[in-house]
Amino acid sequence: QQQVRQSPQSLTVWEGETAILNCSYEDSTFNYFPWYQQFPGEGPALLISISSVSDKKEDGRFTIFFNKREKKLSLHITDSQPGDSATYFCAAFRGSALGRLHFGAGTQLIVIP
Amino acid sequence: DTTVKQNPRYKLARVGKPVNLICSQTMNHDTMYWYQKKPNQAPKLLLFYYDKILNREADTFEKFQSSRPNNSFCSLYIGSAGLEYSAMYLCASSRGKGQDTQYFGPGTRLLVL
Repeated sequence: QQQVRQSPQSLTVWEGETAILNCSYEDSTFNYFPWYQQFPGEGPALLISISSVSDKKEDGRFTIFFNKREKKLSLHITDSQPGDSATYFCAAFRGSALGRLHFGAGTQLIVIP
Repeated sequence: DTTVKQNPRYKLARVGKPVNLICSQTMNHDTMYWYQKKPNQAPKLLLFYYDKILNREADTFEKFQSSRPNNSFCSLYIGSAGLEYSAMYLCASSRGKGQDTQYFGPGTRLLVL
């Protein structure tokens, strides 16, 4: 059973636009949500994360919006740059589980110059 | 240095033959993980070591073995490869357990013929 779902599977935006990547989860006990960014030929790397006690986390051009009631998150990338072209994975963690991150299938973002 | 290395980067194996993948990290991390990633699917946790203790996921318990001869190295062993094992195998490490950031290697792409 897929516990973390991401949409869209693929997203293309023009340089300078805001890209919005969506994530939802099923288990209400998840309490920490990291987003990982993966470039071709590399492994995923932590980009930004949020805990369930917050509804927003900002880091430069990257912002997570979190809706606990609806069990949804979104990653907003403002002023998208071609260098942002990558696959973005949403993940969820349950505080009681030792080290288990539940990943979504990812959104492939393409930013056209 | 937050590098996780994986060898080989590409592996071709025959059905029924064994496969051994290697991962190393020099960050003195306590935890090392192995994930399986197939196209358009989420990375799937196969197993992880916390220090010397191996934790294997229930649904892949019999399919994968692992060893961690020292803190820096971890292997993933497939005793008899099947076509369904063709995938990207990602190794990751983290300082401790729980919410600690996972650092990923570039992956080993395994093709079973």
